[in-house]
Amino acid sequence: GDSVTQMEGPVTLSEEAFLTINCTYTATGYPSLFWYVQYPGEGLQLLLKATKADDKGSNKGFEATYRKETTSFHLEKGSVQVSDSAVYFCALGRQVTDKLIFGTGTRLQVFP
Amino acid sequence: GAGVSQSPSNKVTEKGKDVELRCDPISGHTALYWYRQSLGQGLEFLIYFQGNSAPDKSGLPSDRFSAERTGGSVSTLTIQRTQQEDSAVYLCASSRLRGTNEKLFFGSGTQLSVL
Repeated sequence: GDSVTQMEGPVTLSEEAFLTINCTYTATGYPSLFWYVQYPGEGLQLLLKATKADDKGSNKGFEATYRKETTSFHLEKGSVQVSDSAVYFCALGRQVTDKLIFGTGTRLQVFP
Repeated sequence: GAGVSQSPSNKVTEKGKDVELRCDPISGHTALYWYRQSLGQGLEFLIYFQGNSAPDKSGLPSDRFSAERTGGSVSTLTIQRTQQEDSAVYLCASSRLRGTNEKLFFGSGTQLSVL
C-alpha cells in the first residue's frame, strides 16, 4: 500500500543554515505530494504541494520538487530562521481517495 | 470562527471510561476528517465525512471508536471503554471540497491521556 517515509529528527541547525528534510514515498501511479507544518501550539497547516512529476512546490522560502524517478519530495530551504522551528510532515494523496497518508514528522530546531 | 475548533484541548480519563471529543469545522466546509497523532507515529487517518455521503470509517482502529457529524457541521468522536493505547492527540481537519488536493485546515487537537 501507499506509504511515506521521512527522516527522523530532531534536525538542529543554526540560523541561516541550509535545510534539507528527506521524504520518500511508495505508491503506484501519480499521487499528489504535500508538506504540512505544525508550529508550536498551532494546528497543522499546508506549507506546499506538488501534483505531478517534476512540479516544484514553494512557499515561505521552502521548496520541494516531485521526483518520480527517485520517489522523493525532499524539503529544502536555503537559509533557515528561528521562526522555522516546527514539526514538518510529508504527505501523499490520491485523487480517487480522500485520505492523506502522512509520514512520522520531523522536528526542526533552529538556534540563533 | 476563523478556524477549526476542537474541544477539550486536553482530556485525562481513566481506563474503561468513555470520552467524547468535539470538532467545529470552518463554516461552509463540506469535508471533515479525524486523524490521530501518537508519539513517534505519523498522523493516522480515522474517519472522513463528506456532505451527506456515508462516512469513510476505514481507519477506525476498533469498534470502540465511532464518530458522527450532525447537520453537516459539528462532529463528535466517541471512544468507548478507553484503553491506555488510545492516548494520543486527536486532530480534526476540514476542507472546502472533497479531494486530497484541497487544502486541509487542522484544529489544534485534543490531547487524550488514558491512565
